[in-house]
Amino acid sequence: DGGITQSPKYLFRKEGQNVTLSCEQNLNHDAMYWYRQDPGQGLRLIYYSQIVNDFQKGDIAEGYSVSREKKESFPLTVTSAQKNPTAFYLCASSSTDSSGANVLTFGAGSRLTVL
Amino acid sequence: AQRVTQPEKLLSVFKGAPVELKCNYSYSGSPELFWYVQYSRQRLQLLLRHISRESIKGFTADLNKGETSFHLKKPFAQEEDSAMYYCALRNTGGFKTIFGAGTRLFVKA
Repeated sequence: DGGITQSPKYLFRKEGQNVTLSCEQNLNHDAMYWYRQDPGQGLRLIYYSQIVNDFQKGDIAEGYSVSREKKESFPLTVTSAQKNPTAFYLCASSSTDSSGANVLTFGAGSRLTVL
Repeated sequence: AQRVTQPEKLLSVFKGAPVELKCNYSYSGSPELFWYVQYSRQRLQLLLRHISRESIKGFTADLNKGETSFHLKKPFAQEEDSAMYYCALRNTGGFKTIFGAGTRLFVKA
């Protein structure tokens, strides 16, 4: 069953703790992304990676870190430096379809709550 | 800077009425535009993209470069169209994709 798997689905963290969200895909997509979804603000890009061992900051990268050691995996670490980490996090991957468009496939999301 | 604006947070229409969800963008180059949709308890998924000029579930969207708009339209709304709709922009040939704030469409019986 091809797709993107995010874990955990729900996560609680105390202030000052780092936490890592997992994202795995078996779609053989080169590019992967992390977005943060907040009510009224839509999806904001945190980091993206076009290829293994390479990644770029998105619009709200401060307080976050990523790695891309394998094509299938793109974990996101929410560090204690992130001022407002409580949010819904979406992982996505992309490929170019037959029309030439680069289309995103999304995971089910992870909801992080800081206590 | 790239920017996608969806001016309406909520749009409520009656079943059978026409619907138009607005999307405006700012981008200096040649963008690719998309509409993504999230139905209740489902994952965010692609609805349509401007490059293929298609109609999906009765929805169409035309890229107007002069007005920098990519409005989503459907002549007769159905209850199953109720969902959250996001307009998205990608720089042609690139990978970075940004989204608008989204519009929640509610189709009343």
